[in-house]
Amino acid sequence: ETGVTQSPTHLIKTRGQQVTLRCSSQSGHNTVSWYQQALGQGPQFIFQYYREEENGRGNFPPRFSGLQFPNYSSELNVNALELDDSALYLCASSSSGKEETQYFGPGTRLLVL
Amino acid sequence: KNEVEQSPQNLTAQEGEFITINCSYSVGISALHWLQQHPGGGIVSLFMLSSGKKKHGRLIATINIQEKHSSLHITASHPRDSAVYICAVDRGSARQLTFGSGTQLTVLP
Repeated sequence: ETGVTQSPTHLIKTRGQQVTLRCSSQSGHNTVSWYQQALGQGPQFIFQYYREEENGRGNFPPRFSGLQFPNYSSELNVNALELDDSALYLCASSSSGKEETQYFGPGTRLLVL
Repeated sequence: KNEVEQSPQNLTAQEGEFITINCSYSVGISALHWLQQHPGGGIVSLFMLSSGKKKHGRLIATINIQEKHSSLHITASHPRDSAVYICAVDRGSARQLTFGSGTQLTVLP
């Protein structure tokens, strides 16, 4: 059983560019959540996907969008990057069972210059 | 006021000490999570609880639903316990977590 993986591990972009971050869920998990963690703060919920449909969204603008694929892997896309988008982006996968916890990936550290 | 508050923000202890980290929340929840984050970012889930108490090795987590309060205890602390400990609440059944800002724990040898 493989854990949650994310790619790339680090990324540097410039303001106005677009970025795609990827997450591969743990085997058997049909739900993936994405979080943004700014330096020194706790993670903030961006959105969640369940069986390829968006299943909830936090307080993030529409330039943050996502996809979940039939194999339950997922992408986070951010358009028109701003300096404040610099953060650690974490994905977490889980199954839909009520007692199931989330399993976090190692994160992608994005720096916007 | 944040929906999830942790205290203390920073904690330094000597090896062997008993450690308590507190979490208070102001919203209705279906579950509360304690997570550990090491330098570099990786997050590990320690506990998910909705009532009572759970124990895993030297770690104990308790929750009081009426008081909207949870504590994470570490017995016989060790330098390898040094990490950020984060409390997060699940407000529904979908595991869309709201996080506290974390407690930075440093255990000195």
